[in-house]
Amino acid sequence: SQTIHQWPATLVQPVGSPLSLECTVEGTSNPNLYWYRQAAGRGLQLLFYSVGIGQISSEVPQNLSASRPQDRQFILSSKKLLLSDSGFYLCAWSFGIGETGSRYGYTFGSGTRLTVV
Amino acid sequence: AQSVTQLDSQVPVFEEAPVELRCNYSSSVSVYLFWYVQYPNQGLQLLLKYLSGSTLVKGINGFEAEFNKSQTSFHLRKPSVHISDTAEYFCAVRALNDYKLSFGAGTTVTVRA
Repeated sequence: SQTIHQWPATLVQPVGSPLSLECTVEGTSNPNLYWYRQAAGRGLQLLFYSVGIGQISSEVPQNLSASRPQDRQFILSSKKLLLSDSGFYLCAWSFGIGETGSRYGYTFGSGTRLTVV
Repeated sequence: AQSVTQLDSQVPVFEEAPVELRCNYSSSVSVYLFWYVQYPNQGLQLLLKYLSGSTLVKGINGFEAEFNKSQTSFHLRKPSVHISDTAEYFCAVRALNDYKLSFGAGTTVTVRA
């Protein structure tokens, strides 16, 4: 079966410091991968998605970037954090279009609570 | 593009009472529909999904939802809630020919004794 791991669970970082959040998926190949941010009272905002190694699509302009150095690894980064980057970050995966399991929505990681101080 | 509207941002309910969370969607193509639950400081967990077939779908923890194509709705219900159902609930939609999920803003359910 497939599992998704996301770490760290919580993080407190000063303004201007770098950020690296990591997400890995096990038990499947060539998954679609997603980064969401959930700010207080603002629902789920899709930040980035990837349909393959090195392929990153950004949904919103911002201070963050994403990379997919390996098939099942998705990294969210920032060179200099802003106060507005605080929030709950969620990684998710899904099957790609055309695959049998693509009908089954996303599976989410347990999230990272980022507080920028 | 698809969009989702969750009509209630907060739903307070007493324990053992029924609850209904309303979700309407907009799409020019056929869609798959989902409900997710998020407990505090956790990721999202799939409650149930509508792919095709019977319009009444049953999920985990006693939840069910009904797909109404004419009203473009996918309301979530539970006949008797528990304290442990206190959480945030998200409705989501995905076009059959796409992989991106569009989420509603969420409904916070607070169950009181």
